[in-house]
Amino acid sequence: AQSVTQPDIHITVSEGASLELRCNYSYGATPYLFWYVQSPGQGLQLLLKYFSGDTLVQGIKGFEAEFKRSQSSFNLRKPSVHWSDAAEYFCAVGAWKSNNNDMRFGAGTRLTVKP
Amino acid sequence: DAGITQSPRHKVTETGTPVTLRCHQTENHRYMYWYRQDPGHGLRLIHYSYGVKDTDKGEVSDGYSVSRSKTEDFLLTLESATSSQTSVYFCAISDMEPPAGTQYFGPGTRLTVL
Repeated sequence: AQSVTQPDIHITVSEGASLELRCNYSYGATPYLFWYVQSPGQGLQLLLKYFSGDTLVQGIKGFEAEFKRSQSSFNLRKPSVHWSDAAEYFCAVGAWKSNNNDMRFGAGTRLTVKP
Repeated sequence: DAGITQSPRHKVTETGTPVTLRCHQTENHRYMYWYRQDPGHGLRLIHYSYGVKDTDKGEVSDGYSVSRSKTEDFLLTLESATSSQTSVYFCAISDMEPPAGTQYFGPGTRLTVL
């Protein structure tokens, strides 16, 4: 069955430190991959997406993600975290399944940034 | 920000009552979606729409119905609300066909079913 896993429920990093949020998926074919961010009380905002081509994708707010087919992973990274990056991050995977739209989100990773 | 509003933003209702949530967009996007967000589950797709009067089921459609009589409005109805439908509901829109299209999300509706 199709699934998206974000292994880390909560991560705490110090401001200025690097960040990596993990995302693993299980799909039959190469899916469409997304990372969204949700600030408290807000809707989700797209950070970046990958469909094909260069496996290292640049997004907004200094984020990047790398697609690794062999590991079925699409991890999100940022070299230096800012206090304003504290939020919840969702990996999402989309594909066509039986002629129907199948969009799955991971359970999310909550990021806390220490001063 | 994409022009998406949801109403009401908060609602408390009782088990067995009907509830309708409204999503309104000013972007003229073709595709619209309803999700629910629950702790530990992320977002789960309830229903989506490809256009006026063109809708389809998502992952968790049982107990929900939708209607889209105008491009700008997508209604989600709980015919007889249950406590398991207590959740935060998000509407999203996209101008590209799924699954490729970037989805733009509304601010959400917090629904409590007592």
